[in-house]
Amino acid sequence: DADVTQTPRNRITKTGKRIMLECSQTKGHDRMYWYRQDPGLGLRLIYYSFDVKDINKGEISDGYSVSRQAQAKFSLSLESAIPNQTALYFCATSTSGSVGETQYFGPGTRLLVL
Amino acid sequence: AQSVTQLDSQVPVFEEAPVELRCNYSSSVSVYLFWYVQYPNQGLQLLLKYLSGSTLVKGINGFEAEFNKSQTSFHLRKPSVHISDTAEYFCAVREFQGAQKLVFGQGTRLTINP
Repeated sequence: DADVTQTPRNRITKTGKRIMLECSQTKGHDRMYWYRQDPGLGLRLIYYSFDVKDINKGEISDGYSVSRQAQAKFSLSLESAIPNQTALYFCATSTSGSVGETQYFGPGTRLLVL
Repeated sequence: AQSVTQLDSQVPVFEEAPVELRCNYSSSVSVYLFWYVQYPNQGLQLLLKYLSGSTLVKGINGFEAEFNKSQTSFHLRKPSVHISDTAEYFCAVREFQGAQKLVFGQGTRLTINP
C-alpha cells in the first residue's frame, strides 16, 4: 500500500461549491503539507502542519482552509470553489527527526472547477 | 526568503545523449538542495539531495548534481538519457533554520526523442 494517499484522485465541481480533499499517511511522520501545482509555476505551498496543534499558512492560503484531524490525516477544504482553483493538488509528509527533511508526496488530486 | 529559478522550462534531447538541467537559487542563509522528478500522471519522488559534504551528489537512475556555492547553482546531469527519463524535474531548496519550508522552482520538462 502507498505511504501517502489522497482522495479523491480526480474531482469536478462547480463554482461556489464546498469541497474537501483528504490526505492520509502511514509513514508515522509528524509534518504534513498541501501544495498546488500549476503549469509553469511549479509547486506552491498552501498550508503546512508541524504537528496536530500547529497549523500554518503557506504562500497561497487565501480561499483554502485545513484540518489536522490526527497525526496521520490532513484535509484541505475549498469553502467556495472558483475556477482559478483548478489545479493539481499534492499532499506531502516529512519527519522533523531527519536531517534535511525529505518530503514524501502523495499521487495528487486533479481538481476542475467549472 | 529563498527562491529557486530553473532556467529552462523545456529541454528536448535525443536518447543516449547527455543532459543538464539548470537550477539557481537565492538565499541569505545556508540551504539544503533537492531535485525531485515527476513522471507522467504521478506524484513527485526524490531524485537526490545535497545536505553537506561532497559537492557532487549522486542520485537514482544515474543522475547526479553538483552544488556550487559561489554560483548558487545546483545543476542536474545525466551522461546518457533513456526514453524512461521523460518527466518533469523540480529543483527545491530548504533553509537550515527558520521557517524550514521547501521552495520549488518552476519545473523543467525533459523530453527524450528516439
